[in-house]
Amino acid sequence: AQKVTQAQTEISVVEKEDVTLDCVYETRDTTYYLFWYKQPPSGELVFLIRRNSFDEQNEISGRYSWNFQKSTSSFNFTITASQVVDSAVYFCALSGGDYKLSFGAGTTVTVRA
Amino acid sequence: SQTIHQWPATLVQPVGSPLSLECTVEGTSNPNLYWYRQAAGRGLQLLFYSVGIGQISSEVPQNLSASRPQDRQFILSSKKLLLSDSGFYLCAWSVDRHTQYFGPGTRLTVL
Repeated sequence: AQKVTQAQTEISVVEKEDVTLDCVYETRDTTYYLFWYKQPPSGELVFLIRRNSFDEQNEISGRYSWNFQKSTSSFNFTITASQVVDSAVYFCALSGGDYKLSFGAGTTVTVRA
Repeated sequence: SQTIHQWPATLVQPVGSPLSLECTVEGTSNPNLYWYRQAAGRGLQLLFYSVGIGQISSEVPQNLSASRPQDRQFILSSKKLLLSDSGFYLCAWSVDRHTQYFGPGTRLTVL
């Protein structure tokens, strides 16, 4: 069975601070994909990134960066210089051999002006 | 480009009434389609998924059902709503069976 754990329930920061969201996963599949989604107050889940289990290169996209470490089964997400528009619930998810997305419980990020 | 639509956006229904939520995808063929429910303050629960017309897999036994009458149309239904059916319903599509893209959702309140 697959499991995704986001230990941080809520994070509150002041604008321009960096925020790191933790994600730890469990799977027996050798091939799997990891994802981050953003859910703003409007409710729609927005796809942010996908990484496959064979690609441990870190990735940066603007103010977003992701750190995938297979040795610790972690896929952490950092928002640099946070902005109010970053306020949302962020979900980490995993898809393996059964092609079903297993979601973490989500981390609510609040960025205060 | 692909787009996904859901309607209605918001729905308030009495207990015991029927339900029909619709999801349609544009710009792709033979997508995998999914229905999720998100209860208030909680995570996402996969309800149904479909890999083709008329093919529905149920993840959670309940009073909801799903149908896929056309390639890019996915419908979530109930004959009699319960209070516990309240929540935010999200439809998603995928072509590679891993990456899922979500619609805007339907917020259902059962009174």
